[in-house]
Amino acid sequence: EVQLEESGGGLVQPGGSLRLSCAASGFTFNNYAMSWVRQAPGKGLEWVSGITGSGNSAFYADSVKGRFTISKDNSKNTLSLQMNSLRAADTAIYYCAKNFGDLTRFDYWGRGTLVTVSS
Amino acid sequence: QSVLTQPPSVSAALGQKVTISCSGSRSNIGNNYVSWYQQLPGTAPRLLIYDDDKRLSGVPDRFSGSKSGTSATLGITGLQTGDEADYYCATWDSSLTAVVFGGGTKVTVL
Repeated sequence: EVQLEESGGGLVQPGGSLRLSCAASGFTFNNYAMSWVRQAPGKGLEWVSGITGSGNSAFYADSVKGRFTISKDNSKNTLSLQMNSLRAADTAIYYCAKNFGDLTRFDYWGRGTLVTVSS
Repeated sequence: QSVLTQPPSVSAALGQKVTISCSGSRSNIGNNYVSWYQQLPGTAPRLLIYDDDKRLSGVPDRFSGSKSGTSATLGITGLQTGDEADYYCATWDSSLTAVVFGGGTKVTVL
């Protein structure tokens, strides 16, 4: 059974940093691309970043480019998102999602972790 | 403002049919596959349709997807109360080199 469990969310001040993690199990982690998708309170879905199965190529939404870094540790079956220079607009539930085929197909999702950026 | 345009809400009576449109451009829907997601209140999204019209295993055949030009459509027949949710389209945008979502459509069963 595929399982994705996010951790690392919390309250952080504007300009601060936070690192999210996603522990994956139930599938061959290094064979699949992974992504982070967020949802601001009461708003729609926004793709944040994606990374290929090997971890060699990463893609970012313009809204986070230069501030967020996605990484994939295939030896530990863990996906991470390093978030720097956080803004109030980054407040959202962050979902870890498994891709299949390409980055637009998210077939499994975690429950999400809440990030709140506020002073 | 989302790159992909969806109606904010649609509604229909129990047992009837609804369609949800997703409008884009050549750089996204016009040249890339579309996926559709269902998000029930308080839960993570769920993939329903991928590659424009393929149902994920386990998704009822009441759900269907289609695409023409730069627009895609999700159809739901035999509406059930359990179908009340937000629905999102998604695709790759070749100009942005990013995944883009529609703004979401809330389905209400009357």
